[in-house]
Amino acid sequence: GEDVEQSLFLSVREGDSSVINCTYTDSSSTYLYWYKQEPGAGLQLLTYIFSNMDMKQDQRLTVLLNKKDKHLSLRIADTQTGDSAIYFCAVLNQAGTALIFGKGTTLSVSS
Amino acid sequence: DSGVTQTPKHLITATGQRVTLRCSPRSGDLSVYWYQQSLDQGLQFLIQYYNGEERAKGNILERFSAQQFPDLHSELNLSSLELGDSALYFCASSLARQGATDTQYFGPGTRLTVL
Repeated sequence: GEDVEQSLFLSVREGDSSVINCTYTDSSSTYLYWYKQEPGAGLQLLTYIFSNMDMKQDQRLTVLLNKKDKHLSLRIADTQTGDSAIYFCAVLNQAGTALIFGKGTTLSVSS
Repeated sequence: DSGVTQTPKHLITATGQRVTLRCSPRSGDLSVYWYQQSLDQGLQFLIQYYNGEERAKGNILERFSAQQFPDLHSELNLSSLELGDSALYFCASSLARQGATDTQYFGPGTRLTVL
């Protein structure tokens, strides 16, 4: 079945760039998403990319998609302590009906 | 604020009991999705409704059921509760015209604790 993998932890210093990586198995995934979850909160949509794009930039966020390697990354420039959260990669399943989530990457930002 | 509302925020109940979780989608959204987030399974899709009709099923137990009402709000019913049902339950909504895919916006979740 479809699977999404992420590394579990990332620790960076304030002001540095953070790069969170994700790999997925279903090459037919059309939409790929990044969600953010802060402690005790719901899932906040950060950004998404359509599968015919290689890159998408949105202020401090840059999403890179390598379809050949089925690899998605999220780069956060000038990381702030407020960026500390769990970041989930998600892909739309083949039927286009549900999101398949990775286990989430906990980003810890130290000052 | 995504515009998706869920009630209650927290729910504590005992094994064997039945509970109902409620979700109101964003204004104009026709599709509602339910997800379960647990420590061991992560985030898993349960079920989707589109304009009152069930559209897709994921890893939803037979003890669980859902429905979407004419005003488009949805309820997730969990019965014969077990300790392992303790989790965060999310509702999401999207515009999702039938046959098209669309971005899902999530509510704040309902945290269910089964004692």
